[in-house]
Parts: sequence; structure tokens; C-alpha cells
Amino acid sequence: GQQVKQSSPSLTVQEGGILILNCDYENDMFDYFAWYKKYPDNSPTLLISVRSNVDKREDGRFTVFLNKSGKHFSLHITASQPEDTAVYLCAAGLQGTGSKLSFGKGAKLTVSP
Amino acid sequence: NSKVIQTPRYLVKGQGQKAKMRCIPEKGHPVVFWYQQNKNNEFKFLINFQNQEVLQQIDMTEKRFSAECPSNSPCSLEIQSSEAGDSALYLCASSDGTSNERLFFGHGTKLSVL
Repeated sequence: GQQVKQSSPSLTVQEGGILILNCDYENDMFDYFAWYKKYPDNSPTLLISVRSNVDKREDGRFTVFLNKSGKHFSLHITASQPEDTAVYLCAAGLQGTGSKLSFGKGAKLTVSP
Repeated sequence: NSKVIQTPRYLVKGQGQKAKMRCIPEKGHPVVFWYQQNKNNEFKFLINFQNQEVLQQIDMTEKRFSAECPSNSPCSLEIQSSEAGDSALYLCASSDGTSNERLFFGHGTKLSVL
């Protein structure tokens, strides 16, 4: 079954708005959590990641919040911009060289001007 | 632009035919992953390598796929006998092998099995 689940397959937000993308995972051993961004006809690229020793990591307009007891993590995007329009994939796994990541199905975000 | 090169971009095969795709990881990356993204956008991990050695693979891969990452040659993933359900986007990713788990993806090979 799906190890990592994204609840909202599609979201629309107005430019300048705040957006929250959610992700739930099954394996409580997971200690590495990431969000990848994918533009149409392009490959996914890492946006932001966090390890389980912290419950939050911020990088500019993007913040990851981790709730280990709830097996849940989220991506907050503030001051949304049209170039944020993309598919966002959450991923989780174990830290370590070569350790595989489990991905969600992705959420399509549209930022309208 | 992705530095992980996958070929071909598109592959069309009949049922029962072999289907082979290749991946050149980013230079200096010893770890390579293959994922299958199906029409429901589900990412399924297939296999990963560190240099030429298989680290992990799922049961399906072991039974129906042939995969390798020879030194000084592209990595390859080959379905021995294609089935309609194998129609999907096959994504190759590489990582630098440090404790950094960041994956760099190629554009994928889109396989259609008719």
C-alpha cells in the first residue's frame, strides 16, 4: 500500500495567499521528510527537506512542519506567486546513503494572478 | 535542466516484448534509483544501486526486470516480457552518496505497452 499519502490532489490559491499542503505517512521509523516540486514536462526537484531531530524548517517562503507523533508533515507556502504553480510531491524515508524514498501522488497547485 | 539523462524519452512495445531503458546518473553520483510512476501518479520504488551493487529491489523487479549499473556504462532497466500494466513513466534518479538524501531525477522514459 501507499506508504505516503497526500490528501488534496488539486489546490488553487490567489497570488499573495498562504497555502498549506499536507502529507501523512505510515512508517513511524521514517526520519527524513521532503517536498519535491515538478513543473510540467520537467523532472521533480527537491524544494525543502527536514530530518526528524527538528519539527520545523524554514527556507524563505517555504516552511516544513513535522508532527512525528501524528505521522504527518506539511508544507506552508507564504506570499504565493504564479511561478509556484506546479505539482508538489511529498516524500519520506530513512536517512542514510542509498535509502529509498517513498513518494505521495502529488498535489497540483495553481496560483492565480 | 536535468543532469540525469534518460533514454529513450518514449518507448512503445507490444505485449511480450522486451523493453529496455537507460539512465546516465549525474557525474560523480554512485547511487541510482529507479521508480515507476503509473497513470494514477503513484510512485513505486523498483530498485536502487550503489555503484554496481544492488541495494534494494522489490519482488516484481526481481522476477520480471533485469537491471544493472555497470561501471563506465549507462545504467539500464529492462522488462523481460512487457505487460499492459507496465505502461508508465519510469524515472531514474541519482544521489551523491553522502548522508544527503537529495535525489536528482531524469525526465523519465514513458513506456506504452500496446
